[in-house]
Amino acid sequence: DTEVTQTPKHLVMGMTNKKSLKCEQHMGHRAMYWYKQKAKKPPELMFVYSYEKLSINESVPSRFSPECPNSSLLNLHLHALQPEDSALYLCASSQVGVDTIYFGEGSWLTVV
Amino acid sequence: QQQVKQSPQSLIVQKGGIPIINCAYENTAFDYFPWYQQFPGKGPALLIAIRPDVSEKKEGRFTISFNKSAKQFSLHIMDSQPGDSATYFCAASWHGSSNTGKLIFGQGTTLQVKP
Repeated sequence: DTEVTQTPKHLVMGMTNKKSLKCEQHMGHRAMYWYKQKAKKPPELMFVYSYEKLSINESVPSRFSPECPNSSLLNLHLHALQPEDSALYLCASSQVGVDTIYFGEGSWLTVV
Repeated sequence: QQQVKQSPQSLIVQKGGIPIINCAYENTAFDYFPWYQQFPGKGPALLIAIRPDVSEKKEGRFTISFNKSAKQFSLHIMDSQPGDSATYFCAASWHGSSNTGKLIFGQGTTLQVKP
């Protein structure tokens, strides 16, 4: 079982809603990530946090807003999303500078 | 140069067979090559990984073969079982503070193992 926990598992939201995805890990990892995965496609990197600071933003639209309140938690705030943003959102973590990355089960997001 | 090309797109084998999934890359800076297994509705799970200084790595029924000169690596699943039916992604990454967590994934292979 993965040690990266994501909530909620499923989320349906309207285009005017504001919602958040949450991620928690207790492996002592100081790097945390958000990936987006469309059906039958590989995961695509969105954001990287290293020591609770945003280190990589892969040119993600501002309607996605990440937040890292502490070393164990990672949030993704969602606002004014489009139907094409519907996807599986994956949180992951690793030790900083170490290649092994562990993924959570993901949050399925549907924008209606 | 950032791409990792994976083949085949889909694969069907009989139980006990040895499916082989191949990946190729161009960027010689890549120094870490993991394979992830993903079941429907689940997140990717790290299966096995290799570095370029090793030509082969085995973990249980899963083996990675690595050919540095050809810039290719492959996953072999010995004695495949129906429970191995999943999507498999190869990936690559390289060291560097600006590249932390940046896995370059192949397009995935959907494997079906028939009973």
